[in-house]
Amino acid sequence: ETGVTQTPRHLVMGMTNKKSLKCEQHLGHNAMYWYKQSAKKPLELMFVYNFKEQTENNSVPSRFSPECPNSSHLFLHLHTLQPEDSALYLCASSPRRDRGDEQYFGPGTRLTVT
Amino acid sequence: LAKTTQPISMDSYEGQEVNITCSHNNIATNDYITWYQQFPSQGPRFIIQGYKTKVTNEVASLFIPADRKSSTLSLPRVSLSDTAVYYCLVGDIMDSNYQLIWGAGTKLIIKP
Repeated sequence: ETGVTQTPRHLVMGMTNKKSLKCEQHLGHNAMYWYKQSAKKPLELMFVYNFKEQTENNSVPSRFSPECPNSSHLFLHLHTLQPEDSALYLCASSPRRDRGDEQYFGPGTRLTVT
Repeated sequence: LAKTTQPISMDSYEGQEVNITCSHNNIATNDYITWYQQFPSQGPRFIIQGYKTKVTNEVASLFIPADRKSSTLSLPRVSLSDTAVYYCLVGDIMDSNYQLIWGAGTKLIIKP
């Protein structure tokens, strides 16, 4: 138990569906992250929020839309996804968006796009 | 751009010491070296971090030579539960933000 929870753990959606992934951290951290992990590829950092403000968007397609209503919660809204978007989506948090800060990861959401 | 190179996979046996070496030739002066562990269907978990020389905690040691162009994660007396993917990371400053650049990881398999 890392103090970072993600729901749902598994999600199957069609290309025309709209769904959301939820992340919650109980650690009092100020930075939160979304990562994508595809089979046999390195982790890809998607978005970073620091004190509720989005500080990084690493060229992520607009069909992925993040939302951070407060420092404890992070959402990833999904719409009109493609099959190649199927992956493990990981949420992480750290005390700050700072050099060397340890990141705490949730268990991930396994997403399958049909 | 900071980048790490580590073996794709390694095998060892229970009770042995395992050393995983990572090269990071273009590490910047102010980069930390960080290692994470990931089990299937879980997120990565922080193991250890260092800047130079040697760091030890309750689960591992990290050896960093003076030139810092490589580092070695040492796992003492491994057990079957140490079977996992291990990631070596260094940081990089991109657009004034510090980022961890994730590599492909080393898949460690421990045999009985």
